[in-house]
Amino acid sequence: DIVMTQSPDSLAVSLGERATMNCKSSQSILNSSNNKNHLAWYQQKPGQPPKLLIYWASTRESGVPDRFSGSGSGTDFTLTISSLQAEDVAVYYCQQYYTAHRTFGQGTRVGIK
Amino acid sequence: QITLKESGPTLVKPTQTLTLTCTFSGFSLTSISSSGVGVAWVRQSPKKALEWLAVMYWDDDRKYSPSLENRLTITKDTSRNQVVLTMTNMDLEDTATYYCVHRGTGAYEGVFDYWGHGILVTVSS
Repeated sequence: DIVMTQSPDSLAVSLGERATMNCKSSQSILNSSNNKNHLAWYQQKPGQPPKLLIYWASTRESGVPDRFSGSGSGTDFTLTISSLQAEDVAVYYCQQYYTAHRTFGQGTRVGIK
Repeated sequence: QITLKESGPTLVKPTQTLTLTCTFSGFSLTSISSSGVGVAWVRQSPKKALEWLAVMYWDDDRKYSPSLENRLTITKDTSRNQVVLTMTNMDLEDTATYYCVHRGTGAYEGVFDYWGHGILVTVSS
């Protein structure tokens, strides 16, 4: 199994400030055949299913505000919220889809300072 | 528009078998034009966060989580646009919200792009 490890477990940021969270995979999830990283980020709010934010490590899903951005390659990835808004309070998960056995990180909880 | 909805029992007893149904619309699991499409099950418990369980592909291929493979069966009923997951020998640790998820194709190849709202299943005697 590919193990996904997120850090930190939680963070609190002032409104309008930058929030940065990390995701590390236990092996590379860069597909050499298409030069794409098989990494997605999801946002989950209480009582709701996860919502796709970012795929291919850096492609923003349609309708997702451009304050959300993803970066990284190989085994190390980052999700950044450039200017935190109140509606961004949620848990964020990374997930690899490099193997059929999909695995998720444990989540990073983002709150307001 | 793609939608998925989970249905099934919300309370099961230990050792019982759980059967969950995912009814979907907006895509097909039947034809060549569906190449690459799949429907997966993911569960979420407070202890284990998000855990992928199984996936059913358009071509009848299926994959299971290695840790649960001996307890899971996934099937599809194309006439009803449904995917069914059965899990045997339910335990207290299987208490979780179970989600049905669409596996994307094309630009979304392999991505879990649409999720059902989930169904909370409690295992209790």
